[in-house]
Amino acid sequence: DTAVSQTPKYLVTQMGNDKSIKCEQNLGHDTMYWYKQDSKKFLKIMFSYNNKELIINETVPNRFSPKSPDKAHLNLHINSLELGDSAVYFCASSRTGYEQYFGPGTRLTVT
Amino acid sequence: AQSVTQLDSHVSVSEGTPVLLRCNYSSSYSPSLFWYVQHPNKGLQLLLKYTSAATLVKGINGFEAEFKKSETSFHLTKPSAHMSDAAEYFCVVRGTGANNLFFGTGTRLTVIP
Repeated sequence: DTAVSQTPKYLVTQMGNDKSIKCEQNLGHDTMYWYKQDSKKFLKIMFSYNNKELIINETVPNRFSPKSPDKAHLNLHINSLELGDSAVYFCASSRTGYEQYFGPGTRLTVT
Repeated sequence: AQSVTQLDSHVSVSEGTPVLLRCNYSSSYSPSLFWYVQHPNKGLQLLLKYTSAATLVKGINGFEAEFKKSETSFHLTKPSAHMSDAAEYFCVVRGTGANNLFFGTGTRLTVIP
């Protein structure tokens, strides 16, 4: 059973489009996250949600918006995509204060 | 502020020889430290964690790390490298918030047959 899953695995789109990436966890965790990994493999947290409350929001453009319909899901919506948004996006989940479990990643390519 | 520095961007070892991946941390209090591994085109997997219990931490796949407060280090070691160990390794420190993780820049491990 997949603990943290993301869809799609690959996403190729043009500049200016709006896209979404979905994430689901079946671990019963109360906190979920989105990370961005750039071309140099550097990982930086974008958002986390705890019980439907946004508790971390780093310096991320407001074109990015997380949406959590319930504790098991945290989707990432991106408006007006730019070339610089090309990266691998990872979803993760955890119990508050414990280690995080990561999904397989979504490779986004903006052309 | 919490941060980690991975001292080598790339380490190359021969199969069957020891592995050492170096990580120094900076923290204003007793840190929680982790090592994650990322195989090519895969997500990140937790190798091991230190949370102020035993200073020598054993993880999966034969890896271990030792927390040395005097040296502010948390180096990852394995006695004998296997081809399947070839991957990117990230040293991670938890920040002031319970859910903040700060990643190092990664060390790419190459294992030569």
